[in-house]
Amino acid sequence: DGGITQSPKYLFRKEGQNVTLSCEQNLNHDAMYWYRQDPGQGLRLIYYSQIVNDFQKGDIAEGYSVSREKKESFPLTVTSAQKNPTAFYLCASSPRSGRTNTGELFFGEGSRLTVL
Amino acid sequence: AQSVSQHNHHVILSEAASLELGCNYSYGGTVNLFWYVQYPGQHLQLLLKYFSGDPLVKGIKGFEAEFIKSKFSFNLRKPSVQWSDTAEYFCAVNAGTGRRALTFGSGTRLQVQP
Repeated sequence: DGGITQSPKYLFRKEGQNVTLSCEQNLNHDAMYWYRQDPGQGLRLIYYSQIVNDFQKGDIAEGYSVSREKKESFPLTVTSAQKNPTAFYLCASSPRSGRTNTGELFFGEGSRLTVL
Repeated sequence: AQSVSQHNHHVILSEAASLELGCNYSYGGTVNLFWYVQYPGQHLQLLLKYFSGDPLVKGIKGFEAEFIKSKFSFNLRKPSVQWSDTAEYFCAVNAGTGRRALTFGSGTRLQVQP
């Protein structure tokens, strides 16, 4: 089945450690996104990528990094510089990019990161 | 920058009651508007969307939303809710800017009591 796979589903890390969240899609979508979901704050955009080898910062990019070496993959690294990393992270994709992108998103099931 | 406001943070209804969740956005130009739903333990899924045309949009599971441009609003409605509608609902907007990424509201948690 086509879809977006995020792994791991649950992740625990110690303070000061970097951690990488995986996001893979087999929908042949051009654009991919990372959002962070916190209670009462909705979803906030971390990074997005409209095309391979290109990505842009979202509203809360500090302390995060991404890469887009393949169309199917958009991993997110939560670095030790992120001050409050405990959250639910959602990856999404969109079938089009650039000016034709309507913004409609398809979401993965999310990764819950807890910093101990 | 575009922003989305959802004024109802937590709504509790009895089954068969009518529902209206408010959503207002800040961008004055052309917008694409969405409502997403997150059922307990499930991933976010699209409820309905508005791109252009008829401002009254029908979605899945009996939901509908009305785009009122003069009020910058896109309120979600359902005439009669069911216990299975218990979920968190998010309004989102994609404005005609270069960013091409959705901006979400803070969400409304709906609890339907049997």
